[in-house]
Amino acid sequence: AQSVTQPDIHITVSEGASLELRCNYSYGATPYLFWYVQSPGQGLQLLLKYFSGDTLVQGIKGFEAEFKRSQSSFNLRKPSVHWSDAAEYFCAVDDYKLSFGAGTTVTVRA
Amino acid sequence: DSGVTQTPKHLITATGQRVTLRCSPRSGDLSVYWYQQSLDQGLQFLIQYYNGEERAKGNILERFSAQQFPDLHSELNLSSLELGDSALYFCASSVGMGQGTEQYFGPGTRLTVT
Repeated sequence: AQSVTQPDIHITVSEGASLELRCNYSYGATPYLFWYVQSPGQGLQLLLKYFSGDTLVQGIKGFEAEFKRSQSSFNLRKPSVHWSDAAEYFCAVDDYKLSFGAGTTVTVRA
Repeated sequence: DSGVTQTPKHLITATGQRVTLRCSPRSGDLSVYWYQQSLDQGLQFLIQYYNGEERAKGNILERFSAQQFPDLHSELNLSSLELGDSALYFCASSVGMGQGTEQYFGPGTRLTVT
């Protein structure tokens, strides 16, 4: 069955530093992959998606993700983190339904 | 604001009771999805409706049921509630129902079963 794994439960990063969140997927064919963000008390907001084509995809809020088939990974990155990026981030694979990873909580320190 | 609305925001009820959660999709969206988010299970897909018809089922308990009405709003019914049903329930909507369709999530309903 299709699945995603987010190896990091919690990451702390300084404001202005770069951020990388890891996501590994298990899927037989070319996966449809998403990154969502959940701020405290909020619903999930779509950051970006990958279907095919260019392996580096740009999203909202300055985020980007790179699809690497050889590593079965779809890692999320941001060059410079802002305090408002503190949230929980979910990677998901779509096989006609979304299967989410366990999420990574990002704490931003001043 | 995603345009998906859910009511109520919070719900506190006792074991054995029945509750109904309501979702209104974004204007123009025909698909509605329900998800459960709990500490031990994470985010899990429950069920999907497209234009009134059930299209996909996930890990939805038999005590739970859902429907989508002609005006496209959806309701999730949870009965014989147990303590373990305490969770955040999200509704999402999308224009279509195919693989890769972007889903837009509502703010969720937090259910507490005491």
